[in-house]
Amino acid sequence: DTAVSQTPKYLVTQMGNDKSIKCEQNLGHDTMYWYKQDSKKFLKIMFSYNNKELIINETVPNRFSPKSPDKAHLNLHINSLELGDSAVYFCASSQGSIYGYTFGSGTRLTVV
Amino acid sequence: GQNIDQPTEMTATEGAIVQINCTYQTSGFNGLFWYQQHAGEAPTFLSYNVLDGLEEKGRFSSFLSRSKGYSYLLLKELQMKDSASYLCAVNNGDYKLSFGAGTTVTVRA
Repeated sequence: DTAVSQTPKYLVTQMGNDKSIKCEQNLGHDTMYWYKQDSKKFLKIMFSYNNKELIINETVPNRFSPKSPDKAHLNLHINSLELGDSAVYFCASSQGSIYGYTFGSGTRLTVV
Repeated sequence: GQNIDQPTEMTATEGAIVQINCTYQTSGFNGLFWYQQHAGEAPTFLSYNVLDGLEEKGRFSSFLSRSKGYSYLLLKELQMKDSASYLCAVNNGDYKLSFGAGTTVTVRA
């Protein structure tokens, strides 16, 4: 069983569309994250939820909206997609604040 | 803010040793992590240091000096499969890992 799974793996869409990426973890972790990795490979945190509560909301356009229906799931919805949103989006989870993360396999988003 | 610096690229020969340095200035410190990321894949955990000193795990070792804000990852007996990006990340205690830009290591035969 995959520990952190996210779907889809690839997403190609036109500017202006709305899309969602889903993430699920079966590790029993309390905390889940969304990270964005740009073309320069720099991983930057976007959001974090702890037990369904939003605890980190970095400077991200409000077109991006995370939703955590339960502590095993964290989805990312993006409205009005722009060219600059093209990147790889990684979901991750951890148990508490001082432990490392387990990452999902990533979603490569391409906006055309 | 968080400032984590590491070299952009390093090249080494199969069987050799490579040391990847990481310096950091962060608002808090609750441990330093090293991750390996192969092209097109997710980062995977390599090591964790929270106290000063050297942690050894097989061919990989990681060192931390908190007073100097400095860590290194040592890769010994390099293999072709070690060609990857190595990410230094600092946990500053508020549920956030801050990452460096990564060091791309290329292993040549």
